[in-house]
Amino acid sequence: AQSVTQPDIHITVSEGASLELRCNYSYGATPYLFWYVQSPGQGLQLLLKYFSGDTLVQGIKGFEAEFKRSQSSFNLRKPSVHWSDAAEYFCAVGAQNSGYALNFGKGTSLLVTP
Amino acid sequence: GAGVSQSPRYKVAKRGQDVALRCDPISGHVSLFWYQQALGQGPEFLTYFQNEAQLDKSGLPSDRFFAERPEGSVSTLKIQRTQQEDSAVYLCASSNLAGRRTDTQYFGPGTRLTVL
Repeated sequence: AQSVTQPDIHITVSEGASLELRCNYSYGATPYLFWYVQSPGQGLQLLLKYFSGDTLVQGIKGFEAEFKRSQSSFNLRKPSVHWSDAAEYFCAVGAQNSGYALNFGKGTSLLVTP
Repeated sequence: GAGVSQSPRYKVAKRGQDVALRCDPISGHVSLFWYQQALGQGPEFLTYFQNEAQLDKSGLPSDRFFAERPEGSVSTLKIQRTQQEDSAVYLCASSNLAGRRTDTQYFGPGTRLTVL
């Protein structure tokens, strides 16, 4: 079965510093992978997605992610974090069944300090 | 354009009461998903519709949970005889196409259910 692991429950970074959120997946074939962000009281917003092709994917709000098959990873990065990036971040993999319903990780909570 | 909307945004129920949660997907979207998000957890799949057909309900936790989408647009998730462990945020998502891996799911703001 497909699964996603986000090893870091909480991460704190200073505003302007770089960010990397880790995501590892377990999947039998070529996965399709997503990163979503959830701000308090808000729905999930798609940051970026990977299906195939170029392993470096650009998303919204200055985020990017790199698919590394050898490491079963899909880490999210941003060169310079803004205070408004503080939120919960979820990595997800699409299931082949269930209409490609998403299997989510438990999330990483990002705190940005001044 | 309008996104996915859900109502009510908040629901408090006494244990044993029945509740109904509504989802209005993006107009024309074929696929509709329900997820349950417990506090501090990622969303977990409950059920999937393609138009009015419920193609997968494997994630529904018990027979107290029932979902429908009779006309292929609005969907309702019903929970009978609510229990405290049902307390969670219920998220609805829709996508344009019918179960294709390249679809993007658009999420609503969720309904926060608290069972006392």
